[in-house]
Amino acid sequence: QQQVKQSPQSLIVQKGGISIINCAYENTAFDYFPWYQQFPGKGPALLIAIRPDVSEKKEGRFTISFNKSAKQFSLHIMDSQPGDSATYFCAASKGGSARQLTFGSGTQLTVLP
Amino acid sequence: NAGVTQTPKFQVLKTGQSMTLQCAQDMNHNSMYWYRQDPGMGLRLIYYSASEGTTDKGEVPNGYNVSRLNKREFSLRLESAAPSQTSVYFCASSDLKQHFGPGTRLTVT
Repeated sequence: QQQVKQSPQSLIVQKGGISIINCAYENTAFDYFPWYQQFPGKGPALLIAIRPDVSEKKEGRFTISFNKSAKQFSLHIMDSQPGDSATYFCAASKGGSARQLTFGSGTQLTVLP
Repeated sequence: NAGVTQTPKFQVLKTGQSMTLQCAQDMNHNSMYWYRQDPGMGLRLIYYSASEGTTDKGEVPNGYNVSRLNKREFSLRLESAAPSQTSVYFCASSDLKQHFGPGTRLTVT
């Protein structure tokens, strides 16, 4: 059972455009929602995370939008750059911490120059 | 401060062979994890250790064993490798967030 569904599988965006990746979860006990960025040959690295007491969190060009009633959250990358080309994973966990993360299937983002 | 280190980086095994993947962290974290990453499936938790001396099964534990040797080290053992275990394996440790190692790319022929 896939508890965190991520879409799209791949995304191509022009430089300067907005990249949007969506995730939906099933388990209402999840209360910590991070996004990870992974470059080829590297391990995932935490990009930004949100807890359900807020609907939006912004860090630089990266924003998480969270809709608790719809059980959905999304990553928005503003002014996308070629250096943002990577695979992005959403994840979720219980207990308000980073333990026992359940990951989405990943989105391969390509930003064209 | 090296963070999370994994050895080896690459390994090729024949079906039925055994091997141990090593992981160490220098951040004094209590919790450590082993994941496997397969195309189109994200990262799936194999085993985790909430603290030294404890280990628990994750989503896909079959065919694997783990040892939490001390607070720093958490190893993953394949007793009898199968082609279905061809994957990239990541170790992670956590405080408020999970920190991942660089991965081990394992091929079982």
